[in-house]
Amino acid sequence: GAVVSQHPSRVICKSGTSVKIECRSLDFQATTMFWYRQFPKQSLMLMATSNEGSKATYEQGVEKDKFLINHASLTLSTLTVTSAHPEDSSFYICSARSGGGRNTGELFFGEGSRLTVL
Amino acid sequence: AQSVTQLDSQVPVFEEAPVELRCNYSSSVSVYLFWYVQYPNQGLQLLLKYLSGSTLVKGINGFEAEFNKSQTSFHLRKPSVHISDTAEYFCAVTSQAGTALIFGKGTTLSVSS
Repeated sequence: GAVVSQHPSRVICKSGTSVKIECRSLDFQATTMFWYRQFPKQSLMLMATSNEGSKATYEQGVEKDKFLINHASLTLSTLTVTSAHPEDSSFYICSARSGGGRNTGELFFGEGSRLTVL
Repeated sequence: AQSVTQLDSQVPVFEEAPVELRCNYSSSVSVYLFWYVQYPNQGLQLLLKYLSGSTLVKGINGFEAEFNKSQTSFHLRKPSVHISDTAEYFCAVTSQAGTALIFGKGTTLSVSS
């Protein structure tokens, strides 16, 4: 099946620094990628929808200046957490939908990135 | 707008017992339905999906689910669980327009010997 790679899997940073998380579709072109955030023992909350070559669409309550999303190519989307604070500590998961063929709605997920802000 | 309700937050079962994880959805349009499994500190793995056609869907690891349009349900079942099935299970929905998946709150399946 389709593979989505996410990097890094774990990152620890100091408060006030910025962290970049990469999401790559390895064997298909992803015209659309989604970024989710998951707090411990909770469900996945959609943060933003990233479309290749255009600005990301953010969900209500998500600060676009805090969570910068770039989808510069059909295989790569990045999420940058700017000026991170302890409350940004979470598990971030990206997912991608193939741009080719019939859109079945299925998303392929990365393995997640656990961010810990000290 | 769509929504998903997973009726049980935790389901404890003994090994080799059958299990059903319940999922109800709400949508004003046709939907695609999915079940994902998440092991600790990992991403999500697709168990099965309903797109159209047969309402009984078979997935990986012996799981199956039945789409019931009249009851707006998509319950997940396995006739005999293993210790290795212990994980978090998420039901998800999306419309045919291909919007982002909307997830339920998850059900923790705990299988003990």
